[in-house]
Formats: sequence, C-alpha cells, structure tokens
Amino acid sequence: DAGVIQSPRHEVTEMGQEVTLRCKPISGHNSLFWYRQTMMRGLELLIYFNNNVPIDDSGMPEDRFSAKMPNASFSTLKIQPSEPRDSAVYFCASKTGGGFGYTFGSGTRLTVV
Amino acid sequence: SQQGEEDPQALSIQEGENATMNCSYKTSINNLQWYRQNSGRGLVHLILIRSNEREKHSGRLRVTLDTSKKSSSLLITASRAADTASYFCATDSNDYKLSFGAGTTVTVRA
Repeated sequence: DAGVIQSPRHEVTEMGQEVTLRCKPISGHNSLFWYRQTMMRGLELLIYFNNNVPIDDSGMPEDRFSAKMPNASFSTLKIQPSEPRDSAVYFCASKTGGGFGYTFGSGTRLTVV
Repeated sequence: SQQGEEDPQALSIQEGENATMNCSYKTSINNLQWYRQNSGRGLVHLILIRSNEREKHSGRLRVTLDTSKKSSSLLITASRAADTASYFCATDSNDYKLSFGAGTTVTVRA
C-alpha cells in the first residue's frame, strides 16, 4: 500500500487566492482526518469524516475553510480566500475501526504570502 | 486543544544511551498512542496502549501507562542516530478524536 497520499507537497499562494489540498486515504480505512500543524498551536484537528460523512468539524477555524469527501478514496480541504495566518503544514490521516493508530500522509506545506 | 503534555520538551543523548520521555493528560482515555515525526515529514504511529494495559513493548520501544496518575512514558533503548525526531503522545478519549501534545524533540549524537 502506498500509504496516505497528499498533494501538493508544497503550495505557495497569494493572499486572497483559493487553495485546495487533496488526500487519498488508505483503501479500506473508514475514518479520515484533517490536521493542521504550526509551531504556535501544535497539531490541531480540523475535521473528521467517518464513512465519507463529516462527523466533527468543530476544529475548522472559519467559514473560509471547507472540506469534502465525495467518496471513500478522496477528500479535499479548501481555503477560500486564503490568508497569511493560514500558513501551516496540513496533514491528512486515515484509520480503520476503533483502537487503531492513525496513518498520516506526508503533509502539504502551505505558505500564503 | 492539547490534552497530552510531554516532558521534557527537548532531549539530547549519546548514541547507545536510553531516552525516556513522559506524557501527562487530563481526562479519561480509551487508549494512548505515541508517534514519531522526522523533520519535514508526517507522523508515524509507533505504539498504542489501551487503558487496561500497563506496559507494552515493540522492538526497542517500551511504553508504560499509569491511569491513576494519568501519565505515560516512552523509553527508547540503545538509541541510534536515526531515532533523532520529535515524539508525540496522543490521547484517544472517544475512539476517534486524537489530542496531541506539543512533543519532545530528541537528538541522538553520534
């Protein structure tokens, strides 16, 4: 298995632009998570999907952030419009069932200038 | 919000020595997990210990859990340069929402 695949690996964009981050979870994993990592705030859970349905989006910072999971093999995290304070590394992770560890992707490093 | 708090924040050891880091948390848990993150990379799951377990081993890793003290420790024995990374504890309180600590940065000197 290729693991959790995220794209792009790096994204540099100008303030105000739309940014879309992509994630392909491990086949058979029914839970998908988007996390954001910054030096100041550490790892923060943004949103959690179970069987493609958003269960908890309480971590999404603002309405500028939205996430979708149209099928079991694909999810997107969109920021529109982007702001410099959105600069961070965004991780996607997936897992199967309860009591198992997460498999993280390599992350997308987003820089908004 | 971060539930787990690692201690120390940073640790520097000589190759071959053991490294111990601790994690304290606040609320009851289903399980506690340890992850490693190499610089510029994603997190890698190392080991999971359930709330009814007290100790678990995986290769050179040993994890303990004391639910009465709400604390856990991770021991890496016979450290290698490749163990240089940040180590995070994460608590699972409701089977899906992992809360991560701030991490311990471990540097293994050759």
